[in-house]
Amino acid sequence: GAVVSQHPSWVICKSGTSVKIECRSLDFQATTMFWYRQFPKQSLMLMATSNEGSKATYEQGVEKDKFLINHASLTLSTLTVTSAHPEDSSFYICSASDRGLQGYTFGSGTRLTVV
Amino acid sequence: QKEVEQNSGPLSVPEGAIASLNCTYSDRGSQSFFWYRQYSGKSPELIMFIYSNGDKEDGRFTAQLNKASQYVSLLIRDSQPSDSATYLCAVGTVSGSARQLTFGSGTQLTVLP
Repeated sequence: GAVVSQHPSWVICKSGTSVKIECRSLDFQATTMFWYRQFPKQSLMLMATSNEGSKATYEQGVEKDKFLINHASLTLSTLTVTSAHPEDSSFYICSASDRGLQGYTFGSGTRLTVV
Repeated sequence: QKEVEQNSGPLSVPEGAIASLNCTYSDRGSQSFFWYRQYSGKSPELIMFIYSNGDKEDGRFTAQLNKASQYVSLLIRDSQPSDSATYLCAVGTVSGSARQLTFGSGTQLTVLP
């Protein structure tokens, strides 16, 4: 089955620094990837849609200059949280979409803690 | 604005019972419907998807879709303690060339041994 690898699984960083999260589709080409954020006891909120070779589409209220998305190849999308603050601490999850798939495949998630 | 609502939890059922999870959605243009299971601290895993009205069965799980009522449900038969998790209903719509998912807030299920 389709596999999406996400790294790192957890990261602790200091306030003001930047953190990069990688999402790779291992056995299929992902023309589109989605980035979600999930706060404790809450559901997944879509942050942005990442399209290979073009700019990402951000959801309302998500700062594109703070959450930089790069989808340079059909198998890799990255999310960089710039100038991280404690309120950015959350569970970030990517998922990949391929037209041949019957469902979306999620990465294992990244637990970000900003101290 | 697209909305997906799930019945409020938490839901507790005894082992061996049937667990019933419900979900309604607001966008009549929705085309695909998914149920995910999420254990604490983990990412969601797909249980079932359904596209057409009616029932779809897979092992102990049955998804039911009624597009006229904008309603989708998940039944878990012979519930096991390992089924204890948060269940997320997700509704897919096409945006540009990609399908986007909108998630409900989730229902926490506890199966009591």
